[in-house]
Amino acid sequence: LAKTTQPISMDSYEGQEVNITCSHNNIATNDYITWYQQFPSQGPRFIIQGYKTKVTNEVASLFIPADRKSSTLSLPRVSLSDTAVYYCLAVKGGATNKLIFGTGTLLAVQP
Amino acid sequence: GAVVSQHPSWVICKSGTSVKIECRSLDFQATTMFWYRQFPKQSLMLMATSNEGSKATYEQGVEKDKFLINHASLTLSTLTVTSAHPEDSSFYICSASYDRDGAEAFFGQGTRLTVV
Repeated sequence: LAKTTQPISMDSYEGQEVNITCSHNNIATNDYITWYQQFPSQGPRFIIQGYKTKVTNEVASLFIPADRKSSTLSLPRVSLSDTAVYYCLAVKGGATNKLIFGTGTLLAVQP
Repeated sequence: GAVVSQHPSWVICKSGTSVKIECRSLDFQATTMFWYRQFPKQSLMLMATSNEGSKATYEQGVEKDKFLINHASLTLSTLTVTSAHPEDSSFYICSASYDRDGAEAFFGQGTRLTVV
């Protein structure tokens, strides 16, 4: 499973767009890039997943360049409730779906 | 999305006793479930893979006799912390997903275990 590297923490203000980058230099051909969000004392929640180019859903956008060695999670107009830890994972594209979590990025949104 | 439910949400037990945590997939069947442990301000650490109808697969460093896992049906996996000690106090989380390529994982709400 490819190792991912992301900033330990980020600060933002309400209404701003937040971009969290993730490095995965050794990503495998059949790995999907997946992001999860975790609030304190809760289980993680799936945000978005992509393989390449751009993926957008109602919550976020995920940008993946052609070489797939990095990715960027974009959260538009964050609010205080977006304060959480965001995990970037390279998920093997098979049925096992075994997830290995890295350190994650603690996003603190201030008023 | 699918729902994974854990029970109990929190539990306090005395040292030396055993505690069972249940993980249920409420609206789908899961051949495989996963158990994680999370200490304060740390990331999730994968403990074991729970396989329906067969033995669990434990990650390196996780004592299988300490953390008993049973996956007797396609919707239920249990984790039993045997002879619990204060150092076992942690946040335990399970996950399950549909059996297809790249499927997202659904996590339970977690169980806060405090051993006194």
